[in-house]
Amino acid sequence: EAQVTQNPRYLITVTGKKLTVTCSQNMNHEYMSWYRQDPGLGLRQIYYSMNVEVTDKGDVPEGYKVSRKEKRNFPLILESPSPNQTSLYFCASSPIGGVGGYTFGSGTRLTVV
Amino acid sequence: AQSVTQLDSHVSVSEGTPVLLRCNYSSSYSPSLFWYVQHPNKGLQLLLKYTSAATLVKGINGFEAEFKKSETSFHLTKPSAHMSDAAEYFCVVPEGSNFGNEKLTFGTGTRLTIIP
Repeated sequence: EAQVTQNPRYLITVTGKKLTVTCSQNMNHEYMSWYRQDPGLGLRQIYYSMNVEVTDKGDVPEGYKVSRKEKRNFPLILESPSPNQTSLYFCASSPIGGVGGYTFGSGTRLTVV
Repeated sequence: AQSVTQLDSHVSVSEGTPVLLRCNYSSSYSPSLFWYVQHPNKGLQLLLKYTSAATLVKGINGFEAEFKKSETSFHLTKPSAHMSDAAEYFCVVPEGSNFGNEKLTFGTGTRLTIIP
């Protein structure tokens, strides 16, 4: 089944403890991206990648890192999480051009205390 | 930059009655446009997409949308609402300077409530 898989689905952590949210797609898509969803603010782009070793900042990149060493994986790294990073995170992928639409993961609900 | 405006943050309809969720876009050219649905505690699912082919687009679960360039609109409709349609709906436009999809711009969402 074609899908984007995120792990974990739920995560509670403490301020400053490094964490990684994984994202993997099995559709051989070039494009992958991370979004966060917050009440009243909608979904905002954190980082995106157009292909292996090619990444760029979105609208809200502060406090996040990403890497794209393999085409299928695009992990989101929080080096020192803070409470304002409590949010619902989504990974998405698509072929270049995106005209076929974007496939989203099921989301990761992160709480930083 | 492109943008989308969802005109209603919340819509309530009775089961079996028509659904209309409104979306206006702002773009200097004819964009691609998508509608996504998010059921409670679920991810985002593509309902339908417009990519400059037919202006009337049919999607899943009986939804359709019509691209109207003169009105810069892409409203989502369904003839008869079902209880399972209760969800949040997002109008989305991709944009970017390279391949055209570096960024997805989301509308603020419309929460659809179905009254039994």
